[in-house]
Amino acid sequence: GAVVSQHPSWVICKSGTSVKIECRSLDFQATTMFWYRQFPKQSLMLMATSNEGSKATYEQGVEKDKFLINHASLTLSTLTVTSAHPEDSSFYICSAPYPLRAQYNEQFFGPGTRLTVL
Amino acid sequence: EDKVVQSPLSLVVHEGDTVTLNCSYEVTNFRSLLWYKQEKKAPTFLFMLTSSGIEKKSGRLSSILDKKELFSILNITATQTGDSAIYLCATQGGSEKLVFGKGTKLTVNP
Repeated sequence: GAVVSQHPSWVICKSGTSVKIECRSLDFQATTMFWYRQFPKQSLMLMATSNEGSKATYEQGVEKDKFLINHASLTLSTLTVTSAHPEDSSFYICSAPYPLRAQYNEQFFGPGTRLTVL
Repeated sequence: EDKVVQSPLSLVVHEGDTVTLNCSYEVTNFRSLLWYKQEKKAPTFLFMLTSSGIEKKSGRLSSILDKKELFSILNITATQTGDSAIYLCATQGGSEKLVFGKGTKLTVNP
């Protein structure tokens, strides 16, 4: 099946620094990618939709100036957590839809990035 | 606002038992319902359901969708310890984004 990669798989940073997470679709093009966040023992919460060639769409309650998203190409989206704080520590996962048929897309998930902010 | 509710939230069974996981939803312009299995890392795809009453099967796992009553079930027969995971249900509506339920944590004891 289609493959989505994320880099890095884990990162530890100091409070106040910025962290960039990459999401790549390895064998297909994705005009749209999704960024999720998962806190311990909770489900995946959609943060934003990354759109190639246009601005990202953020879900309610997600600060766009804090979580910068750039969909640089048809195979790459990046999420930058700016001025990270300990409460931003979480598991960040991206996904990209892969068309199975014209109407239905399967979402392939990256392996996730574990962010720990000290 | 689209909503997905899973039950139970957690379940502990013994190897060999059969389990049924539930997922109910409210979605505008429903397109599909998906089941994922999540162990340590990102979710892995199990099933995509788009039509009512058609069972999807993969080994000991099966799932079915009822679009009239707005729910789906995921069955696992002859459970094994390797089935221990969080099972996530998600729906896809008018846009491509997925709305996830809180998940069911399944623990299969030997």
